[in-house]
Amino acid sequence: GAGVSQTPSNKVTEKGKYVELRCDPISGHTALYWYRQSLGQGPEFLIYFQGTGAADDSGLPNDRFFAVRPEGSVSTLKIQRTERGDSAVYLCASSLDGASGITDTQYFGPGTRLTVL
Amino acid sequence: KQEVTQIPAALSVPEGENLVLNCSFTDSAIYNLQWFRQDPGKGLTSLLLIQSSQREQTSGRLNASLDKSSGRSTLYIAASQPGDSATYLCAVCSGNTGKLIFGQGTTLQVKP
Repeated sequence: GAGVSQTPSNKVTEKGKYVELRCDPISGHTALYWYRQSLGQGPEFLIYFQGTGAADDSGLPNDRFFAVRPEGSVSTLKIQRTERGDSAVYLCASSLDGASGITDTQYFGPGTRLTVL
Repeated sequence: KQEVTQIPAALSVPEGENLVLNCSFTDSAIYNLQWFRQDPGKGLTSLLLIQSSQREQTSGRLNASLDKSSGRSTLYIAASQPGDSATYLCAVCSGNTGKLIFGQGTTLQVKP
């Protein structure tokens, strides 16, 4: 079956611009996570959705970052006024049921490589 | 605050060797621990998930162990192959939201 997909695979933008990154989770997965991975580092948690609601957004670095999941499936990570330090690979993951399934395996997408010039 | 450390950062072995990758974490109150593989420019592939009540999990040539009390996990790879070359990441789930805290990874090179 289809895995987690992310678009675009690469995004180059200029400092100060707005970007949107999209994640399509595995069908039926209610839990969705966004992570950010800088070069040579492990991924860092950004935000977790259970269904349509953001249950934990403690990893968002500042108010320039925002994410939505309006219908409980596709999610969009939005970054306003991008800065060079936002350059990283943004990874999305989904799992079957985060509410009772904190023990569930997370399945990751291929990521979006964001470069801010 | 949970912190995850992986040692070594890089490892190079000849084909056929058995090897062990190490992961340590500072807070033993975890729900589970996962090992992932990441190939260059790719996303993460889940290898093994160990629940907090378990001591080990096995999949093919891979065996992962968990010692919560000491805050340690190991990933054992038997009879390594060049195709095993990748970065291996350890992650712990220690919150009730399922978020994972990752180590920095061990980059493995298996030479033919």
